[in-house]
Amino acid sequence: DIQMTQSPSTLSASVGDRVTITCRASQSISRWLAWYQQKPGKAPDLLIYRSSSLETGVPSRFSGSGSGTEFTLTISSLQPDDFATYYCQHYSSYQHTFGQGTKLEIQ
Amino acid sequence: QVQLVESGGGVVQPGRSLRLSCAASGFTFSDYGMHWVRQAPGKGLEWVALLWYDGSKKYYADSVKGRFTISRDNSKNTLSLQMDSLRAEDTAMYYCARGRGSYYGEIESWGQGTLVTVSS
Repeated sequence: DIQMTQSPSTLSASVGDRVTITCRASQSISRWLAWYQQKPGKAPDLLIYRSSSLETGVPSRFSGSGSGTEFTLTISSLQPDDFATYYCQHYSSYQHTFGQGTKLEIQ
Repeated sequence: QVQLVESGGGVVQPGRSLRLSCAASGFTFSDYGMHWVRQAPGKGLEWVALLWYDGSKKYYADSVKGRFTISRDNSKNTLSLQMDSLRAEDTAMYYCARGRGSYYGEIESWGQGTLVTVSS
């Protein structure tokens, strides 16, 4: 099975910062990757699908890129509402594996 | 709007069974692939199972294969998860979720979850 590894596990940043979270796949997954944001006590929300497509209603400060085995989620200018945990997910016909998550904290 | 409401969680002893249900509304349930995703307390997300729109294909995480069964009733807009031979490590919040499209794909809608605790 394909494994997904996110880095870093924790990221401290300030409002206005540009931040990048990386997700690596153990083998090529083309562009079959999504990103989710989860706040404490809530279900996740879809941010990005197919590596770089922005979900409807998601602010344009969020962007995704990558293909093959390496992917990134970038937040161009952090807002107070962005402090949360972020997960990547590979999806295919038979598995939908999540990364371990990246907690974005206020510095 | 899309609504997914899970039920059936609770406290259960190791080795016993539990059945979760998810009531769907606000969309044409029979058009979409459906998932169960879980999250152990303080841990990350773990995909559990996927069922195609018509029930013809089912896929499971290795950690639950042979113990859990996903099913759906398109006439009642209901998704289920039968969990047998439960273990302490199955303790988690279980989310019902809708994929984008009839087969597999990113998850675009989630329920609020139902908590399962496996403990003696």
